[in-house]
Amino acid sequence: DAGVTQSPTHLIKTRGQQVTLRCSPKSGHDTVSWYQQALGQGPQFIFQYYEEEERQRGNFPDRFSGHQFPNYSSELNVNALLLGDSALYLCASSLRSHGNTEAFFGQGTRLTVV
Amino acid sequence: GNSVTQMEGPVTLSEEAFLTINCTYTATGYPSLFWYVQYPGEGLQLLLKATKADDKGSNKGFEATYRKETTSFHLEKGSVQVSDSAVYFCALNPSGNTGKLIFGQGTTLQVKP
Repeated sequence: DAGVTQSPTHLIKTRGQQVTLRCSPKSGHDTVSWYQQALGQGPQFIFQYYEEEERQRGNFPDRFSGHQFPNYSSELNVNALLLGDSALYLCASSLRSHGNTEAFFGQGTRLTVV
Repeated sequence: GNSVTQMEGPVTLSEEAFLTINCTYTATGYPSLFWYVQYPGEGLQLLLKATKADDKGSNKGFEATYRKETTSFHLEKGSVQVSDSAVYFCALNPSGNTGKLIFGQGTTLQVKP
């Protein structure tokens, strides 16, 4: 049973560029959440997708957007990259019918903006 | 609002020492509480959880008890190993099935042989 998989593992982008990160949830899970983890900090909630719609959003600007596909996989898009967007981006999946009480995390995508 | 506060690290222990990492929370309603562990260069792994007051979560020798009266969820292990060296995060899921996790800042544990 594959867990949560994210791609790519590492990425280097230039300020002002756009980036797309991808996530496949754990088999059987229907909810995907994205988190940003700056160096030395705890993860911060960006947003959550369920049934292909954004259901909750954290305190992140509109430059951060996402999408969920019918197979439950998800993308995180960041436009007009800033140096401060450099972080580890984590995807977590859960099951809504179980109250989303347990989230499984992927290995993350390390984004470096130069 | 909802928040989690962890003791600051790093925590440095000798192998077989007793471990306590303090975690306190602020939340409205009845949150679920979690401890996650992050090994160098990796994502987060769920270590243990508790979903209601007085529940004790346990896994791999680690345990934590959900104390509503002190709003705490301290992580303990009786005898740490070098392989336990990692960053530990306390987190809460606010009441309801939101799935949104709120994390503490993390505590780095270093275990020396």
